[in-house]
Amino acid sequence: DAGITQSPRYKITETGRQVTLMCHQTWSHSYMFWYRQDLGHGLRLIYYSAAADITDKGEVPDGYVVSRSKTENFPLTLESATRSQTSVYFCASSDTSGWDEQFFGPGTRLTVL
Amino acid sequence: LAKTTQPISMDSYEGQEVNITCSHNNIATNDYITWYQQFPSQGPRFIIQGYKTKVTNEVASLFIPADRKSSTLSLPRVSLSDTAVYYCLVGAHNAGNMLTFGGGTRLMVKP
Repeated sequence: DAGITQSPRYKITETGRQVTLMCHQTWSHSYMFWYRQDLGHGLRLIYYSAAADITDKGEVPDGYVVSRSKTENFPLTLESATRSQTSVYFCASSDTSGWDEQFFGPGTRLTVL
Repeated sequence: LAKTTQPISMDSYEGQEVNITCSHNNIATNDYITWYQQFPSQGPRFIIQGYKTKVTNEVASLFIPADRKSSTLSLPRVSLSDTAVYYCLVGAHNAGNMLTFGGGTRLMVKP
């Protein structure tokens, strides 16, 4: 199916564990983004990527690692999960820049116990 | 990036026109104004983007006065399904690709 998908949709983990959230898009968009949204708040940018093998920090990058070896995939890894990383994570992509229309995935709800 | 201010919440009734105003007093010459809509448990969805005057699409209209220090998103004849959070964002296409979502405006449409 065309579009942008995220997996898993729900994840419960424990403090200190490594967790990887997956994001896949089928449009061959150059730009991809990871956001987190805490309950009742707006989205905050974690990392973004302008192309394969090019990534850059956003507003709240601490505790997260990203990679982009292929244009269509942009995984986000929490190397040692903390309770403060309990959130809903959204992946997005856009064709030419962050200020062009971004297409968002359905989100991953992560709970860190 | 220009700071934006918009109402925290608004109520409306089905069939009414809803206007959500966003203030952005320090908007820069190269900045565009973009609105996103977010339904509960979903990612945001792009609604409309504009630079000046008026932009209209099948979903909404965006009114931008000459001084560009504010903008108004207009939703014609809202339905219950328009209940969502609406985000106003201001920035340039070369602004380091950093979208900054504020708290948005929570619109509640009542029957």
